Amino acid sequence: DAKTTQPTSMDCAEGRAANLPCNHSTISGNEYVYWYRQIHSQGPQYIIHGLKNNETNEMASLIITEDRKSSTLILPHATLRDTAVYYCIVRVVGGSNYKLTFGKGTLLTVNP
Amino acid sequence: DAMVIQNPRYQVTQFGKPVTLSCSQTLNHNVMYWYQQKSSQAPKLLFHYYDKDFNNEADTPDNFQSRRPNTSFCFLDIRSPGLGDAAMYLCATSRKGPDNSPLHFGNGTRLTVT
Repeated sequence: DAKTTQPTSMDCAEGRAANLPCNHSTISGNEYVYWYRQIHSQGPQYIIHGLKNNETNEMASLIITEDRKSSTLILPHATLRDTAVYYCIVRVVGGSNYKLTFGKGTLLTVNP
Repeated sequence: DAMVIQNPRYQVTQFGKPVTLSCSQTLNHNVMYWYQQKSSQAPKLLFHYYDKDFNNEADTPDNFQSRRPNTSFCFLDIRSPGLGDAAMYLCATSRKGPDNSPLHFGNGTRLTVT
């Protein structure tokens, strides 16, 4: 899997949008960008994934740059329960290498 | 709700005493994974099963073994736990196919070695 680079930590005020960046400059054409988060003492939770188009679901939006070398996860209205470690991961979909390899992630702290 | 269930949530074992952690799933996924997560670190893949085919990561110690008796269940066996094996152990599942599904994780078993 291509490596990703994320800030170690970020803060966000409750009710504001949280924008979490990720660099994946060596991403291959068949690799998707996945986002997971892990709330303290729980298992990682899938958030969203995308290939090259922007994606939105009930949890978040994913913005991928046109050259696919970076992306941003957007939580539109952060709550205290969104405090977690957020992992940006690139992963082949549809191929034989389907494993998920975690990097260090970003600790997002949502403040009241 | 379909889910991945790990039991127990907390497990205490003695140094050198074999221990087994269990995972079950109701998602009918064909791939099951075991990850190890030590304090303040990211989850690290130990091995996975694709159906009945076992796939070990190159750096997983021999002390760790796994069994998958059927689609729904997977076990992690630690033959002789050391103090360094204290960690959260996470089970995950996914569906491998033309469109590999995201991984679904259980809430983990936190293992303490005394």
